[in-house]
Amino acid sequence: DTGVSQNPRHKITKRGQNVTFRCDPISEHNRLYWYRQTLGQGPEFLTYFQNEAQLEKSRLLSDRFSAERPKGSFSTLEIQRTEQGDSAMYLCASSGRLTKQLTGELFFGEGSRLTVL
Amino acid sequence: DQQVKQNSPSLSVQEGRISILNCDYTNSMFDYFLWYKKYPAEGPTFLISISSIKDKNEDGRFTVFLNKSAKHLSLHIVPSQPGDSAVYFCAARVLNTPLVFGKGTRLSVIA
Repeated sequence: DTGVSQNPRHKITKRGQNVTFRCDPISEHNRLYWYRQTLGQGPEFLTYFQNEAQLEKSRLLSDRFSAERPKGSFSTLEIQRTEQGDSAMYLCASSGRLTKQLTGELFFGEGSRLTVL
Repeated sequence: DQQVKQNSPSLSVQEGRISILNCDYTNSMFDYFLWYKKYPAEGPTFLISISSIKDKNEDGRFTVFLNKSAKHLSLHIVPSQPGDSAVYFCAARVLNTPLVFGKGTRLSVIA
């Protein structure tokens, strides 16, 4: 069990640039979630996938954000025309079938920290 | 609106004593409540959960209590250890929907 992997771990970019984050979930997990965490806040839900289908998007996910999960394996989160307010930790989590999904337990990656200058 | 509230941003406890972290919620439809622990530069890790049909769940040094009438839950850590120093998040969900998190409480266990 290799856990949830995210990269890059850190990204510094200039305002207006595009950035992309990648998440590799635990291999047998069919659900994949993206959350965002800013200083002093808990993780805030952005979007999630069941296999390759994107089931829900938060109001936090503006038109500049897009997420994909081709073939139901890894996922990417792209932010276009970044703004300073996008600076945050972007967390990916996955969940498997049956028992853990029943309780809602998520397995998180270590996150990708974005700094927009 | 904040559906899950952790009103204490921080808590300091001496090693060996009990740590009590509190969480209030507003949505009576929540069916599962979870606690996560987060160390710096790491993602949150699952600690313990409780179903809305229970009022207590225990796992080693960690016990979660649920008071549905008060819409309140608490996490008890006994005895507290320096390695427990971390940020603790309360989370909840309605059926199969994504978890909603509180803002967290930073626990410092002093040796």
